[in-house]
Amino acid sequence: GAVVSQHPSWVICKSGTSVKIECRSLDFQATTMFWYRQFPKQSLMLMATSNEGSKATYEQGVEKDKFLINHASLTLSTLTVTSAHPEDSSFYICSALTRQGAYEQYFGPGTRLTVT
Amino acid sequence: GDSVTQMEGPVTLSEEAFLTINCTYTATGYPSLFWYVQYPGEGLQLLLKATKADDKGSNKGFEATYRKETTSFHLEKGSVQVSDSAVYFCALTPNQAGTALIFGKGTTLSVSS
Repeated sequence: GAVVSQHPSWVICKSGTSVKIECRSLDFQATTMFWYRQFPKQSLMLMATSNEGSKATYEQGVEKDKFLINHASLTLSTLTVTSAHPEDSSFYICSALTRQGAYEQYFGPGTRLTVT
Repeated sequence: GDSVTQMEGPVTLSEEAFLTINCTYTATGYPSLFWYVQYPGEGLQLLLKATKADDKGSNKGFEATYRKETTSFHLEKGSVQVSDSAVYFCALTPNQAGTALIFGKGTTLSVSS
């Protein structure tokens, strides 16, 4: 089946620093990847849609200068949290959209970010 | 806009009990409906899906039927196991290629032996 990986699985950083999270589709090509954010005991909220070779589309209320998304290839999208603050601490999840059949999404295992 | 509402948890059951987790949706057009499961410490996994009215999705003993007349997609299982303890998310996507999922808030299920 389709596998999506995320790296790192967890990261702790100091306030003011930047953190990069990678999302890879391991055995399929994904022209579209999505980045979600999940707060404790809450649902997943879509942050942005990442399309290979073009600029990401951000949801209302998401700061594009703070959450930089790059979809450099058909198997890799990266999310960089710039100048991180404690309120950015969260669980970040990516999903990749296959081009086959029902356009099904496959989710990465998530990255736990803690900003101290 | 489109939205998903699912019952608040947590749901606590004994092993072999019957499970129902209610999910209703609001959408224009004809969305596809999904149930995802998130086990502790893991990512989301697709549990089942239905793409048109009256379709029944099923997997691992779970099932849900796409009811357009009641805009519902309730999750059921006849006999739960301890290993079913997880968070369950109902979700939809408009029937349009390349669109993100819209999730409900999730329902935590805890099954005891």
